Amino acid sequence: EVQLVESGGGVVQPGGSLRLSCAVSGFSIDDYAMHWVRQAPGKGLEWVSLIAEDGDRTFYADSVKGRFTISRDKSKNTLYLQMNSLRTEDTALYYCTKATGWTPEYWGQGTLVTVSS
Amino acid sequence: EIVLTQSPGTLSLSPGERATLSCRASQSISNNYLAWYQQKPGQAPRLLIDDASRRATGIPDRFSGSGSGTDFTLIISRLEPEDFAVYYCLQCATPPLTFGGGTKVEVK
Repeated sequence: EVQLVESGGGVVQPGGSLRLSCAVSGFSIDDYAMHWVRQAPGKGLEWVSLIAEDGDRTFYADSVKGRFTISRDKSKNTLYLQMNSLRTEDTALYYCTKATGWTPEYWGQGTLVTVSS
Repeated sequence: EIVLTQSPGTLSLSPGERATLSCRASQSISNNYLAWYQQKPGQAPRLLIDDASRRATGIPDRFSGSGSGTDFTLIISRLEPEDFAVYYCLQCATPPLTFGGGTKVEVK
């Protein structure tokens, strides 16, 4: 059974950093593309980042480019999102997803990031 | 980036009625790599359709997707009570990937 469990969210001041983790089971993380998608309170879905199956190609939304870094650890079967220089507009529920092709198919339940002074 | 525009913003219908949701792209989506998701309050999104017209595993056949290029449609043939939710389209062809703004299907 495919499972994705996000962690690492919390309250952080503007300009601060957080690292989100997504522990997966039921599949090997280096066999699939993986995404981070976020949703601000009461708003729609926003795609954040993708790491391709090969692990070499990564892509980012313009809103996070240069501040966020996606990575994965095969030995821990875990996906990460390092978030630096956080802004109030980064406040959201962050979902980790497993893709089929590049289409997000399986989703975790999300971890909440609040950026506030 | 490819901008996706969903319409209408809100659709007010009764159970048993047909729902037609539109997703229009600012440029052609290669290989029709467009997906549709359903999201209910407090839940993660659920994949309904990928590659514009292929139903995901376990999705009832009252959900169907069609379209190509820049114009895509999700049809719910007969609304069930559990279908009232927000629906999003997502283009997976060209990074940065982009979501539409969503269509809320509400009870009339």
